[in-house]
Amino acid sequence: QVQLQESGPGLVRPSQTLSLTCTVSGGSISSEDYYWNWIRQHPGKGLQWIGYIYYSGNTYYTPSLKSRIIISIDTSKNQFFLKLNSVTAADTAVYFCARGVRGDWGSYRWTDSWGQGTLVTVSS
Amino acid sequence: QSVLTQPPSVSAAPGQRVTISCSGINSNIGKNFVSWYQHLPGTAPKLLIYDNNNRPSGIPDRFSASKSGTSATLDITGLQTGDEGDYYCGTWDTTLSAGGVLFGEGTKVTVL
Repeated sequence: QVQLQESGPGLVRPSQTLSLTCTVSGGSISSEDYYWNWIRQHPGKGLQWIGYIYYSGNTYYTPSLKSRIIISIDTSKNQFFLKLNSVTAADTAVYFCARGVRGDWGSYRWTDSWGQGTLVTVSS
Repeated sequence: QSVLTQPPSVSAAPGQRVTISCSGINSNIGKNFVSWYQHLPGTAPKLLIYDNNNRPSGIPDRFSASKSGTSATLDITGLQTGDEGDYYCGTWDTTLSAGGVLFGEGTKVTVL
């Protein structure tokens, strides 16, 4: 049973860079069958997909955040990472890492495992 | 970004049934599979349904779903107090300007 665990600072200053790590256990991040996602939930709101990375390093980002985010991966450590720059209070949210199932021809099928989430507050 | 429309809330008494709708457009639900997720307070979201109407191992058959055209539906029968929480539909959107993984707005299920 794969497990994902987010880690990183709970408080980030405005205009700075939010950096989070997702550590994957119980499964290999190098599997060809999965995408590795970041998803966030603003207070009292629904889920917002941020982007994913494949073990090869290929990424796909949501258009609304594409200019500010970088998702990277370290297969040797079974970890992947999120960097979100120039943060504002609007980036305050619970951030989840999650595993997505890759289908035929690289399609995204569903998200089958999630971390517990970590609250990141943007405030001075 | 494209939006999948869900009712904000549904409620019913224990043992009863609730239905949650998820409405999209051709570029998302119309062309792609739908999944459903349960998010109970203080826990990680959990996959309930994948590929429109399939349950992962361990998900009881009280949870069922369907898709027709650009809409999908999740049914919960035999409602239990432990079902209280938020439910989200999800899919892929193929629009170049707004593509990617898409989640619904979320529906809060209340057991009366």
